Amino acid sequence: ETGVTQSPTHLIKTRGQQVTLRCSSQSGHNTVSWYQQALGQGPQFIFQYYREEENGRGNFPPRFSGLQFPNYSSELNVNALELDDSALYLCASSLKTFSTDTQYFGPGTRLTVL
Amino acid sequence: DQQVKQNSPSLSVQEGRISILNCDYTNSMFDYFLWYKKYPAEGPTFLISISSIKDKNEDGRFTVFLNKSAKHLSLHIVPSQPGDSAVYFCAASVKTGYSTLTFGKGTMLLVSP
Repeated sequence: ETGVTQSPTHLIKTRGQQVTLRCSSQSGHNTVSWYQQALGQGPQFIFQYYREEENGRGNFPPRFSGLQFPNYSSELNVNALELDDSALYLCASSLKTFSTDTQYFGPGTRLTVL
Repeated sequence: DQQVKQNSPSLSVQEGRISILNCDYTNSMFDYFLWYKKYPAEGPTFLISISSIKDKNEDGRFTVFLNKSAKHLSLHIVPSQPGDSAVYFCAASVKTGYSTLTFGKGTMLLVSP
């Protein structure tokens, strides 16, 4: 069973640029969530995709957008990068059922905005 | 407003002893709680979870206790091992609708030989 994978591992961008981060969900999972983890903080929820539809969104501006594909992989796009966007971006996949929704995380993408 | 709080930034324990990590929450709608362990340069790894209908869940050396009236949960690790040294995050969710995880800031556990 393959776990959650993310690419790239590290990325350096300059302010104003755009970035796309990618995530492959764990086999059998139908839900992908994205989180931003700033230094010294816990992960903060960006949005969730379930069956290719955005299923919920945290307190992030519209320049953070995403996609989920038919194979349940996902992309996070960030436009007009700001210095504060520097963080670890985590993708988590899960199988949404009535009784449980444990999310399994990938290794993350470290984004640095200069 | 932080809905999930881990008030101890760090904890040091000797190998073989018990580690107790604490977590408080304010949102009474939370009905599912999880603990994750995170090593540097890795994503969080799921450890153990508990539903609000239970007050205890055990998995090997890890036990999670939930006190709903106090809105408090704790993770017990017995016996602690040096490989347990990591940052531990408490997370909570509401299972209905979309279930986002709300995380605490984490507690760094150091287990010394």
